[in-house]
Amino acid sequence: AQSVSQHNHHVILSEAASLELGCNYSYGGTVNLFWYVQYPGQHLQLLLKYFSGDPLVKGIKGFEAEFIKSKFSFNLRKPSVQWSDTAEYFCAVTGYSSASKIIFGSGTRLSIRP
Amino acid sequence: NAGVTQTPKFQVLKTGQSMTLQCAQDMNHEYMSWYRQDPGMGLRLIHYSVGAGITDQGEVPNGYNVSRSTTEDFPLRLLSAAPSQTSVYFCASTRTESSYNEQFFGPGTRLTVL
Repeated sequence: AQSVSQHNHHVILSEAASLELGCNYSYGGTVNLFWYVQYPGQHLQLLLKYFSGDPLVKGIKGFEAEFIKSKFSFNLRKPSVQWSDTAEYFCAVTGYSSASKIIFGSGTRLSIRP
Repeated sequence: NAGVTQTPKFQVLKTGQSMTLQCAQDMNHEYMSWYRQDPGMGLRLIHYSVGAGITDQGEVPNGYNVSRSTTEDFPLRLLSAAPSQTSVYFCASTRTESSYNEQFFGPGTRLTVL
């Protein structure tokens, strides 16, 4: 079955700590991968996306993610978090051509201690 | 551009009542979709539309109807609300169905069914 797993439900870090949020997927065929962020009280926004090419993709606000095909993973990283990174983060996967089959993970809530 | 707008922001219904959640976008996007967001379950696709006059079911369509008479509007109807439909509903749009395109999300509607 197609699915996206985000094993960390709630992560608490201090400012300047490094961040890695896990994302594993189960999806047949070629995939496109996304990380979306939802800041408190706001709607979802795209952080970054992977379609092809370099498996290390860089997004906004210093975030990056690495696609490891052999591990079916697309982990999100940031070397030094800020208080403003407090948000919920969603990993998502879709088929090669169609957004209509997008599958979201359950989300990881990130809390940053000032 | 206003982007994707949703009304109302909050709604409380009694079991059996009907209502329509409104969604509009002013970006001339072909593809629009409705998701529900439940704690620990991420976003799940309810219905989607690849253009005016064309709609299809997503992962969790039961209890919901949609129509797409214009490019701009994509209302979601609950014919007989049930407590299981208590959730936060997000509308999204993208230029075409291709998953290469970023999805733009509305601010959400928080629905409670008593």
